[in-house]
Amino acid sequence: NAGVTQTPKFQVLKTGQSMTLQCAQDMNHEYMSWYRQDPGMGLRLIHYSVGAGITDQGEVPNGYNVSRSTTEDFPLRLLSAAPSQTSVYFCASKVAGAVDTQYFGPGTRLTVL
Amino acid sequence: GENVEQHPSTLSVQEGDSAVIKCTYSDSASNYFPWYKQELGKGPQLIIDIRSNVGEKKDQRIAVTLNKTAKHFSLHITETQPEDSAVYFCAASKGGSQGNLIFGKGTKLSVKP
Repeated sequence: NAGVTQTPKFQVLKTGQSMTLQCAQDMNHEYMSWYRQDPGMGLRLIHYSVGAGITDQGEVPNGYNVSRSTTEDFPLRLLSAAPSQTSVYFCASKVAGAVDTQYFGPGTRLTVL
Repeated sequence: GENVEQHPSTLSVQEGDSAVIKCTYSDSASNYFPWYKQELGKGPQLIIDIRSNVGEKKDQRIAVTLNKTAKHFSLHITETQPEDSAVYFCAASKGGSQGNLIFGKGTKLSVKP
């Protein structure tokens, strides 16, 4: 199993540009989530999904969109990037409805100029 | 909502010494408390977790204790080694259909040879 994979590893955008961060998992996990990590702030939940067709907002959803058309994929979209979205983004997955291990991807480092 | 406080933010120990990291949580409904280790440039990885029906759990040099009454839990690492150097995050979850994790802000542990 590849586990949770994320692409790209690094990305530089200009203010106002759009892009999609990709996340995929091959563990058949229903639950997937996106976090952002900023220095001294820990990991903060952006959006999450408990299954295909179901998404919900986390702690810091503004400026981000998500969709979940398949169990495997959970892309994160930035429609109009802002410097405040400079961060490291992590995708994670686990079995839904269970108190269980959440597996993280390797992260995408995004810089918005 | 849930709030997780983590202390200290940085911790430096000599190789072979013990390290203790402490977290407190605010929501008494939280019932799952994982600890993650994050090495430089990588995603967080689960190292140990504890559920609310257990007071202590051990795995080789790592142990976690939980005090539900006081709403705090701690990570103990004995006989520290240089490879233990990393950022450690505590988290709390209420389980249920989402099981979203709320993270502390992290502790940077440095183990000096």
